[in-house]
Amino acid sequence: QKEVEQDPGPLSVPEGAIVSLNCTYSNSAFQYFMWYRQYSRKGPELLMYTYSSGNKEDGRFTAQVDKSSKYISLFIRDSQPSDSATYLCAMSAAAGNKLTFGGGTRVLVKP
Amino acid sequence: GAGVSQSPRYKVAKRGQDVALRCDPISGHVSLFWYQQALGQGPEFLTYFQNEAQLDKSGLPSDRFFAERPEGSVSTLKIQRTQQEDSAVYLCASRGGQHTDTQYFGPGTRLTVL
Repeated sequence: QKEVEQDPGPLSVPEGAIVSLNCTYSNSAFQYFMWYRQYSRKGPELLMYTYSSGNKEDGRFTAQVDKSSKYISLFIRDSQPSDSATYLCAMSAAAGNKLTFGGGTRVLVKP
Repeated sequence: GAGVSQSPRYKVAKRGQDVALRCDPISGHVSLFWYQQALGQGPEFLTYFQNEAQLDKSGLPSDRFFAERPEGSVSTLKIQRTQQEDSAVYLCASRGGQHTDTQYFGPGTRLTVL
């Protein structure tokens, strides 16, 4: 079993809908949680960075971390076709340390 | 340059050939990471440098994989005697400064071993 589990999708939603993504993990040492977006044939791009439990909002994006359940989420409001990409969760035990990624969820936002 | 660059972007190798993949990190970034991303999977950690020192190579899958960063800037990932299972995208990321935790990724090198 992998340290970080993520549903591969694909997740198809109509434009304007809320996209809900999540990951579960098993390593209680993880303290730093990230969401990356990856377009086809591009490198991952950081969207959200969260330390420990709690919520963080940035524009249309909201990240939630529940360490007691070992569960993290990303919500995208008012989704746009340009949000169509693969979303990767990532986590680390120490700031700036090596990242452990989920397998990624492919999202398709239909106009 | 403004971001992390990698070359070549695409590499096709015959099984048994040696390959070398280059990473140019963001100028001034002291930390450099290599990850391997198989098709349809998330990236997996290979190795980590701080300046020229290789501090963690626990993710290298075999002794055919070797990485170096001799002057603390450009890094090269070398794979000897390539096998089909080495086919993947190899991503490089750099991180700058003591208080900057974000890893910035390059576009990757897609390696196909025939």
